Amino acid sequence: GENVEQHPSTLSVQEGDSAVIKCTYSDSASNYFPWYKQELGKRPQLIIDIRSNVGEKKDQRIAVTLNKTAKHFSLHITETQPEDSAVYFCAAFDSWGKFQFGAGTQVVVTP
Amino acid sequence: DADVTQTPRNRITKTGKRIMLECSQTKGHDRMYWYRQDPGLGLRLIYYSFDVKDINKGEISDGYSVSRQAQAKFSLSLESAIPNQTALYFCATSETGALDTQYFGPGTRLTVL
Repeated sequence: GENVEQHPSTLSVQEGDSAVIKCTYSDSASNYFPWYKQELGKRPQLIIDIRSNVGEKKDQRIAVTLNKTAKHFSLHITETQPEDSAVYFCAAFDSWGKFQFGAGTQVVVTP
Repeated sequence: DADVTQTPRNRITKTGKRIMLECSQTKGHDRMYWYRQDPGLGLRLIYYSFDVKDINKGEISDGYSVSRQAQAKFSLSLESAIPNQTALYFCATSETGALDTQYFGPGTRLTVL
């Protein structure tokens, strides 16, 4: 089955700097890659996603890139703000119709 | 997302007790999922159902069972709860046939003493 690895597990950035989170997956048939943001005590919420026929997608300060050959995808947050502090999860939709999640990255944005 | 609801939101129980967590959705989605979340381990799939007659085990199904009573309802049971089942449990739904993302319920925090 699919295996998704996510790095780093924690990330501390200064407000205004950029944050990058990377994920790798094992199932070459995976074709959909969402990113979720989870604030403390809340449910995971979709923030951006990318499908396998696209290499990059951007939505304001967040962007996701996908390298199908290398089987990795990344989340980029620019001009970070304190409200970006949360746990971020990547996921891959595998060939069995299930989502496999990374272990999560705790992002802390310090003023 | 108010379209996916879970009850109870918090539960404290004792070892050996039977517990049922319930999930309801008004999104009209065929697919429903149960996950547990533990610190540092992300979201791990317990069971999933692609329609009322289709139920499948996830990666950590031991000690759990499920029931899909209707398209809109998917229940998770712990027949005899044990302390290492203390976790945050999420239900999620997604649409069949589309590369659509999952919509999560608010979660149930379960503590087994």
